[in-house]
Amino acid sequence: DSGVTQTPKHLITATGQRVTLRCSPRSGDLSVYWYQQSLDQGLQFLIQYYNGEERAKGNILERFSAQQFPDLHSELNLSSLELGDSALYFCASSVSSYGYTFGSGTRLTVV
Amino acid sequence: QQPVQSPQAVILREGEDAVINCSSSKALYSVHWYRQKHGEAPVFLMILLKGGEQKGHEKISASFNEKKQQSSLYLTASQLSYSGTYFCGTVNNNAGNMLTFGGGTRLMVKP
Repeated sequence: DSGVTQTPKHLITATGQRVTLRCSPRSGDLSVYWYQQSLDQGLQFLIQYYNGEERAKGNILERFSAQQFPDLHSELNLSSLELGDSALYFCASSVSSYGYTFGSGTRLTVV
Repeated sequence: QQPVQSPQAVILREGEDAVINCSSSKALYSVHWYRQKHGEAPVFLMILLKGGEQKGHEKISASFNEKKQQSSLYLTASQLSYSGTYFCGTVNNNAGNMLTFGGGTRLMVKP
């Protein structure tokens, strides 16, 4: 257990639907990062939150949004889902300049 | 812009050495290295900060050339457990600690 908790582990949904992915960072970590990894591809940065505020944005689609709550857990909302959104979605947390700790990921399948 | 990793793939026999390179077109504040096994989350190996070099993790070490904006990961006397995909991640400034990952290097160690 890395200390970063992601739920659900697997999600199967239909095109056009909306889903919410949840992440609880490691205790004490204020930063949360979301990454998308398509089949056998690299890790694409989506968005970062730090202590409740958006800190950086990557190539995140307008159909996607995220937020970080006062208890520091974060949610990634994906709407109007398309087949191409099928991927592994990772959440990671960190403290300042230290390495990231990744959660086990949510595997999203859009059918 | 994501850093470039080379080689894209490498096959080793147990006990052999390997070097994985990572280069960026932007000035770097730090470089991270991660290993990901198939279907699992990336695991942090080490971080190299501007102005310094940090080693650690079994027989795996790394270097960081700030002027050339490059980092290299050295795996010595490889073990079967070293198999996986290695990612470098670069941070371009010390604000936010946002990582941009390279495309990955697939390493397979055979008996």
